[in-house]
Amino acid sequence: QVHLQESGPGLVKPSETLSLTCTVSGGSISSYYWSWVRQPAGKGLEWIGRLYPSGSPTYNPSLKSRVTMSVDTSKNQFSLKVSSVTAADTAVYYCAREGRSGSYYPFDYWGQGTLVTVSS
Amino acid sequence: DIQMTQSPSSLSASVGDRVTITCRASRSISNYLNWYQQKPGKAPKLLIYAASSLQSGLPSRFSGSGSGTDFTLTISSLRPEDFATYHCQQSYTTPWTFGQGTKVEIK
Repeated sequence: QVHLQESGPGLVKPSETLSLTCTVSGGSISSYYWSWVRQPAGKGLEWIGRLYPSGSPTYNPSLKSRVTMSVDTSKNQFSLKVSSVTAADTAVYYCAREGRSGSYYPFDYWGQGTLVTVSS
Repeated sequence: DIQMTQSPSSLSASVGDRVTITCRASRSISNYLNWYQQKPGKAPKLLIYAASSLQSGLPSRFSGSGSGTDFTLTISSLRPEDFATYHCQQSYTTPWTFGQGTKVEIK
């Protein structure tokens, strides 16, 4: 059974960089797309970006200038950085796997989510 | 970006009711439409992918239909554990986008 776990600081100061890591267990990170999704309190889901371990990341244009994603296959981990954060970046951040079924890539496994609050 | 619009935003229903939630895309997404269930404080859970394919291990009371721009999620007979928020998501083209969610509450 695939398991994803987010880790990182729960509190980030405005203008600083938010950094999160997702550790994947129960399967290899090498053969799937991996995404980050966030959800402000009481609001909907927003896709941040995705990466494939052997390819270049794809980011949501709404965040592209501030987001960096990377992968460490030796640790079965992938990471997210969001720079110059503001209160609008306060949200629960989820990592998720994009499963493969033919040409379809739904999010079939999710981490439990981690709340990141931007505040001084 | 493709905009996804769900209706209604919330609904009240009773155990045993048939519930239908709709999702409309701002342009055609073929059948690249997924549905998720989310309970308070929990991560979303995949229910339906490719508009009508039930995720493995899930009960058959959940079904999806549609193609192009209009899609529906149907729960044939609502059970207590189905009270949750449901999200649609298009996986036709990046950026992947979600609907705003539909909260199913107990009447």
